[in-house]
Formats: sequence, structure tokens, C-alpha cells
Amino acid sequence: NAGVTQTPKFQVLKTGQSMTLQCAQDMNHNSMYWYRQDPGMGLRLIYYSASEGTTDKGEVPNGYNVSRLNKREFSLRLESAAPSQTSVYFCASDRATEAFFGQGTRLTVV
Amino acid sequence: AQSVTQPDIHITVSEGASLELRCNYSYGATPYLFWYVQSPGQGLQLLLKYFSGDTLVQGIKGFEAEFKRSQSSFNLRKPSVHWSDAAEYFCAVALYSSASKIIFGSGTRLSIRP
Repeated sequence: NAGVTQTPKFQVLKTGQSMTLQCAQDMNHNSMYWYRQDPGMGLRLIYYSASEGTTDKGEVPNGYNVSRLNKREFSLRLESAAPSQTSVYFCASDRATEAFFGQGTRLTVV
Repeated sequence: AQSVTQPDIHITVSEGASLELRCNYSYGATPYLFWYVQSPGQGLQLLLKYFSGDTLVQGIKGFEAEFKRSQSSFNLRKPSVHWSDAAEYFCAVALYSSASKIIFGSGTRLSIRP
């Protein structure tokens, strides 16, 4: 039982480069989330998807786009990376009683 | 605005001592309440949750939390901490609806003194 799988685990980007963070869950959950974690700020919600085909902005959506490809997959795209996007990114899925998290992607933008 | 506050950024306790981590929330209604733990370099693991009913909830690893509606609080406690409890702890709330989302506090880092 893999749970929530994120790829890659680590990434270094140059300013202006683009990349997509992948997330997949095998628990048949409807809701999926992308958070970023910065020191002293907890986890801040970037985007979430309550069901396949729907996405909504969270607290800090600027500079990001998302795609809910199907029920299993929810990707996060940085079109033009900036140093302010250096962070640890977590994907989660939710069954309305508990959220399950991936192991995180540590992204550094130089 | 909806918010979750963890007033303690960093707490150090001695091994074997008791622990209480504070959490306050601001919501229009009573939300679902959670405590998660994050070990270094890891994702988040659910410790316990409160939806309704008994206001004292038991979780894994010997943790418990008490919901106090009058104080909008959901504090986490453990009678006797172990060195392995050193981690970061996050309080979280959710209002489940057709577009549910979970909001996290800023976290409390727990260090254990030998």
C-alpha cells in the first residue's frame, strides 16, 4: 500500500526554469492538496482539488498551477521558478476524516 | 478569517516530564480538529483527531488532546515524554464540505532534554 507518492524528492532549479511536481494516491480519495512548508510558517495551502475535474486556490496560489489529471493524480507546476519558491512541498489526499501525506519534495531555486 | 494558532514555536522538556502543546482556532463553527507529528525529513503522521462527542481524545504514541469549546482550544498532552517524541507538531482544522480544506498552524518544535 503506497499511500501518497510524490516525485521527485529533491530538485534544484535555476530562476526562470519550469517544472512539474507529481503526486499520486492509491486510496481512492476524492480530495487532494498541495502545501508548501517554510520554517516558522507551518504548511500553507497552495491549491486543492475536492474531486476529479475541480481545483481551487488556497492561501498562496501565485506562481503555481495545478492539474487534477484523474482521481489518482494531482500535479503542481511552476511555470517560471523564483527563489521565493524555495520550499518543501507536500501533497496530501483526504478521506474527510484524515489526511495522508507524501514524503515531500525539497525544491531549491537558485 | 479562519486561523489556527500555535503560540509556542519551540519547547524543550526533560525526558519523563509531562508535555502540553497549545492550539487555538478561530472559526465560525466547531471544525474538525487534528494533531499531526513530523519527524525530521519526513511527511506528517496523524496523532489524533476530534470530530464530536467526548472532548478528551486518545491518540497514538500515548498522546491525548482535549477540546474546549469555550476557549476554542485543542491542546495536546502526554504524561511522560520519550526522547523519540522530539519532532515538530502541527495542529490543524478542517470544515468538511463539498470543497473541504485543511488549515495548519505554524507548528511547535519539541526538543527533549536527556
